[in-house]
Amino acid sequence: QKEVEQDPGPLSVPEGAIVSLNCTYSNSAFQYFMWYRQYSRKGPELLMYTYSSGNKEDGRFTAQVDKSSKYISLFIRDSQPSDSATYLCAMIPNSGYALNFGKGTSLLVTP
Amino acid sequence: EAQVTQNPRYLITVTGKKLTVTCSQNMNHEYMSWYRQDPGLGLRQIYYSMNVEVTDKGDVPEGYKVSRKEKRNFPLILESPSPNQTSLYFCASSLERGVTDTQYFGPGTRLTVL
Repeated sequence: QKEVEQDPGPLSVPEGAIVSLNCTYSNSAFQYFMWYRQYSRKGPELLMYTYSSGNKEDGRFTAQVDKSSKYISLFIRDSQPSDSATYLCAMIPNSGYALNFGKGTSLLVTP
Repeated sequence: EAQVTQNPRYLITVTGKKLTVTCSQNMNHEYMSWYRQDPGLGLRQIYYSMNVEVTDKGDVPEGYKVSRKEKRNFPLILESPSPNQTSLYFCASSLERGVTDTQYFGPGTRLTVL
């Protein structure tokens, strides 16, 4: 079983919708949780990171971590066509070095 | 402009012909790493470097070499490429290893090994 599972999609939503992206994981040692956005033909860029459980909000984006369920989410409010990209979750244990990425979810926001 | 550059961006080569993909960052970052991205497998780390002359294996190091002789450069070397190394490669850098430091990714190098 891969340590980080993420539904590849594609996920298609109309402009203005609330988008929910999710990852599950199996390694209870993961402490840092990140979301990256990757546009076509570009490298990933860090959107948000959270430490341990809880919520974090940044503009239209909210990241949630539920360590008891080994489940993380990224919510995008008022989605825009410019949000169309692949979203990758990533996690790292407290004592580790390598980022463990999910496979990414492809999101398309249609006008 | 703060950036990570990779060269070449696209490369088609043949099995067994040694190649080097260069990576350079202009942000004075300590930490650099290489990833490969494959459909259905996602991003996987190949090698990373905590500082000059300090490198270590990631998840999929077989068939690759790296060197870190200067802080700004971190080339990826394929001594004898094989078709299973056909992939999209990303170099990344950050100020430190710490996850609170943003990792900046390069634009990617698409490698095809025939």
